[in-house]
Amino acid sequence: AQSVSQHNHHVILSEAASLELGCNYSYGGTVNLFWYVQYPGQHLQLLLKYFSGDPLVKGIKGFEAEFIKSKFSFNLRKPSVQWSDTAEYFCAVTSFGNEKLTFGTGTRLTIIP
Amino acid sequence: GAGVSQSPRYKVAKRGQDVALRCDPISGHVSLFWYQQALGQGPEFLTYFQNEAQLDKSGLPSDRFFAERPEGSVSTLKIQRTQQEDSAVYLCAIRTEGNEQFFGPGTRLTVL
Repeated sequence: AQSVSQHNHHVILSEAASLELGCNYSYGGTVNLFWYVQYPGQHLQLLLKYFSGDPLVKGIKGFEAEFIKSKFSFNLRKPSVQWSDTAEYFCAVTSFGNEKLTFGTGTRLTIIP
Repeated sequence: GAGVSQSPRYKVAKRGQDVALRCDPISGHVSLFWYQQALGQGPEFLTYFQNEAQLDKSGLPSDRFFAERPEGSVSTLKIQRTQQEDSAVYLCAIRTEGNEQFFGPGTRLTVL
């Protein structure tokens, strides 16, 4: 069975700080990896995804993530955060033949102006 | 999100009541998913449809939960004899041809 771990439950940063949110998954086969964001009062939105190819993927709003297969990781990064990045961030995985998304427990990001 | 509406947006039920939650995707999406998101947790898979066929219901927590999609479009998640532990946000998602899942706004169910 696949699973996802997000070790940072709540991260607090000042504006312009750099961000890295950890995501590790457990599954030995081919995976598809996703980061979703949920802004206060809004629905889940897709930030970025990795299926294959270049392990460094870029998403919306300046976010990027790097797939490191040897570490089973897919960490989310942003060089300089803004107050509007305050949200809950979820890492998720699907695998070949397994259509459902398996989510981590999420990381709450609070940006202080 | 991306053409998925859910109703009602909020539902308060007394323990023991039956509830029905509706997901209405913009037409043409073959794959439809239901997830349950408890407070402070990530969404958890409930069930999956491909057109009208329910291909995976392994995530339904008990036989009180039932989902259907009779014409391959609108889907309904029904919970019978609701319990307090059923309180959560119920999310519907459709999968695009690009293999991305887009989520609706969810229904927040509170069982008193």
